[in-house]
Amino acid sequence: EAGVAQSPRYKIIEKRQSVAFWCNPISGHATLYWYQQILGQGPKLLIQFQNNGVVDDSQLPKDRFSAERLKGVDSTLKIQPAKLEDSAVYLCASSLETNQETQYFGPGTRLLVL
Amino acid sequence: AQSVAQPEDQVNVAEGNPLTVKCTYSVSGNPYLFWYVQYPNRGLQFLLKYITGDNLVKGSYGFEAEFNKSQTSFHLKKPSALVSDSALYFCAVRALGGSYIPTFGRGTSLIVHP
Repeated sequence: EAGVAQSPRYKIIEKRQSVAFWCNPISGHATLYWYQQILGQGPKLLIQFQNNGVVDDSQLPKDRFSAERLKGVDSTLKIQPAKLEDSAVYLCASSLETNQETQYFGPGTRLLVL
Repeated sequence: AQSVAQPEDQVNVAEGNPLTVKCTYSVSGNPYLFWYVQYPNRGLQFLLKYITGDNLVKGSYGFEAEFNKSQTSFHLKKPSALVSDSALYFCAVRALGGSYIPTFGRGTSLIVHP
């Protein structure tokens, strides 16, 4: 079974630039999550999708972050414009259903904002 | 509000010795608890979870965790550590029946010495 795929693996940008991350969950997984993991901290949930609908985005900084999962499969997370404090690893995870706490994580995208 | 505390940034143990990684939590209502492991340059991997039932939960790679309601703890244990267990371990909690947003601890680095 293929795991959760994410790209790119690494990204370096300057502040005020835009960046987008892509995630392809495990086939058949209805729920998709985006997390932000700042160095030295645990993952923080940004947004959760059930198919193509948003379940929770209360912790997403909506003034600069956006995410979509238009066809209920893969998803993109965008930051526009980026700030220095956005430097982190962005993790994507998926699970069969929303109540399934067994989440399968991708390798993450490491973002450095200069 | 829910929270997780992992009081130790790092745990050192000799190979073959038992290991314990500590986790305490705070949540309204009954907790849904889980442990994840993160190897270098890889995404988080699910180890085990507790919902209800037996307080001793067995998971992957020989790990187990004991739920203690009175002490609000969910410590991760393994009877005999391996060098390959060296990784970053995260405890997480969410309220059963509440918001789907899990709260992760900041992680504990486990180092197993040969």
